[in-house]
Amino acid sequence: QKEVEQDPGPLSVPEGAIVSLNCTYSNSAFQYFMWYRQYSRKGPELLMYTYSSGNKEDGRFTAQVDKSSKYISLFIRDSQPSDSATYLCAMSPNSGYALNFGKGTSLLVTP
Amino acid sequence: GAVVSQHPSRVICKSGTSVKIECRSLDFQATTMFWYRQFPKQSLMLMATSNEGSKATYEQGVEKDKFLINHASLTLSTLTVTSAHPEDSSFYICSATYRDNYGYTFGSGTRLTVV
Repeated sequence: QKEVEQDPGPLSVPEGAIVSLNCTYSNSAFQYFMWYRQYSRKGPELLMYTYSSGNKEDGRFTAQVDKSSKYISLFIRDSQPSDSATYLCAMSPNSGYALNFGKGTSLLVTP
Repeated sequence: GAVVSQHPSRVICKSGTSVKIECRSLDFQATTMFWYRQFPKQSLMLMATSNEGSKATYEQGVEKDKFLINHASLTLSTLTVTSAHPEDSSFYICSATYRDNYGYTFGSGTRLTVV
């Protein structure tokens, strides 16, 4: 079993919809949780960073971590066509450690 | 913000030749550099971790004699793919940590095609 599981999609939504992206993980030592956005043939770009359980909001993005369920989510409100990309969850047991990535979910927001 | 410059962005080489990929931290000192490989529609897979001035630590299944990593300074790390073969064709990405190790900054990636 991979340490980080993420549905690769693709996920297609109309502009303005609320998008929900999720990952599950098996390693209870993970404490640092991140969401990255990756456009085709580019390096990942950090969107959200959360330490331990809880919620974090930044503009249209909300990240949630439920360590008891080993489940993390990213919500995108008022989705835009420019949000179309692959979204990768990543996590590590401690800062400075290598990240463990999910496969990435391909998102398409249609006008 | 912290920027990692990765070059080249794309390279095509003949089978049997070697290719060097560079990652430079432009405005910070990268104490640790991670090298990842990403196949189409797959996740980023860690290849190795390098700390400045010491030998890289390779993940299981990654040949250290084939993928040579040098982290000679706090601002430069290189990955050399030696005797490349078509199965080495992939997207290679570096990532650096900085400050209190909270930040992970990624390079823009290198698309390697071996023909």
